Amino acid sequence: GIQVEQSPPDLILQEGANSTLRCNFSDSVNNLQWFHQNPWGQLINLFYIPSGTKQNGRLSATTVATERYSLLYISSSQTTDSGVYFCAVEDPRANAGKSTFGDGTTLTVKP
Amino acid sequence: DAGVTQSPTHLIKTRGQQVTLRCSPKSGHDTVSWYQQALGQGPQFIFQYYEEEERQRGNFPDRFSGHQFPNYSSELNVNALLLGDSALYLCASSLIGDGPGEQYFGPGTRLTVT
Repeated sequence: GIQVEQSPPDLILQEGANSTLRCNFSDSVNNLQWFHQNPWGQLINLFYIPSGTKQNGRLSATTVATERYSLLYISSSQTTDSGVYFCAVEDPRANAGKSTFGDGTTLTVKP
Repeated sequence: DAGVTQSPTHLIKTRGQQVTLRCSPKSGHDTVSWYQQALGQGPQFIFQYYEEEERQRGNFPDRFSGHQFPNYSSELNVNALLLGDSALYLCASSLIGDGPGEQYFGPGTRLTVT
């Protein structure tokens, strides 16, 4: 099956700093989503981005499907951005709705 | 618009017991997928229900089974619980329609097996 690698595994920033999180995947994908998992375990949808670039406030994401990677940009980070960020992809050889997740990037934003 | 809901929030069981977790999908969605998330790892796909049938399954033993009801809600059952089954269980819903779409997750059920 598809392998998903996220980097870096851990990231510590000062409030106000910018960051880039990366997701590499081993094969072509049908779907790619970025999630933020809060301390209570809730996965919050950030982007549904199988290709192209999207922006939502201080966050933006780019997926280059032909090169099998996606990037999540966080600008002017805030302490509330802390948590684990996951990338999840869907294998076109499987039925829709089966996602493979990376192991996540744990972001800590210090005041 | 109600999002994905799960119950219970927390559960403590003893080895060998059986447990049932419940999930109601987001309004308008027809497909429910279940994931297991161990501490420090990403969620792992257990199985998916669509049109009241198991549509696809991950690498989990038969002790894990499920059901989908006509109103699209779903249950996850785990028999003969092991200590290793302790995890956060997440339910995701989506609208399969003609192909892949965005998945939305519930708040999860944290299962502790002692």
